[in-house]
Amino acid sequence: GAGVSQTPSNKVTEKGKYVELRCDPISGHTALYWYRQSLGQGPEFLIYFQGTGAADDSGLPNDRFFAVRPEGSVSTLKIQRTERGDSAVYLCASSKARADSSYNEQFFGPGTRLTVL
Amino acid sequence: AQSVTQLDSHVSVSEGTPVLLRCNYSSSYSPSLFWYVQHPNKGLQLLLKYTSAATLVKGINGFEAEFKKSETSFHLTKPSAHMSDAAEYFCVVSDQGNAGKSTFGDGTTLTVKP
Repeated sequence: GAGVSQTPSNKVTEKGKYVELRCDPISGHTALYWYRQSLGQGPEFLIYFQGTGAADDSGLPNDRFFAVRPEGSVSTLKIQRTERGDSAVYLCASSKARADSSYNEQFFGPGTRLTVL
Repeated sequence: AQSVTQLDSHVSVSEGTPVLLRCNYSSSYSPSLFWYVQHPNKGLQLLLKYTSAATLVKGINGFEAEFKKSETSFHLTKPSAHMSDAAEYFCVVSDQGNAGKSTFGDGTTLTVKP
């Protein structure tokens, strides 16, 4: 079956521009997660959705970052006034179970590599 | 609070020899623990998970890990390395008190020499 998909696979933008990154989770998965992975580091939690609502956005680094999931399926991560430090791979994952279940297995997409020049 | 420490940033083994990737965790609640593998230009793949059942967990591709509460460890092992095991490995903790939030270690790069 189809896994988690992310578009675009690569995005190059200039400092100060606005970008949107899209995530299509596995059909039927109610939980959706965004992570950011910088070079040489493990993925860093950004935000988690249960259905349409953001259940935990404590990982968003500042108010330039925002994410939505209006219909409880596809999610968009939005970054305003991009900075060179935002360059990273942005990963999306989805999960069938409720996030506070002990069976929180997340399925990851291939990521979007964002480069801010 | 939850955290993960992967004790080795790089591990190099010869093909056919055992693999040991070390992970220590910190958790305020009963944790779920995971190992993921990331091959170059590929997505993260779950190797195995511990969710308070058996302490010795078997995963895919011959990997296994043992949950040791007294040592707060969840080390990943494999009896015999294969060239295809060369990849980046991440230990992950998901604290049931932080629903939805998984914390990744910084990763261990496994190199397998012929």
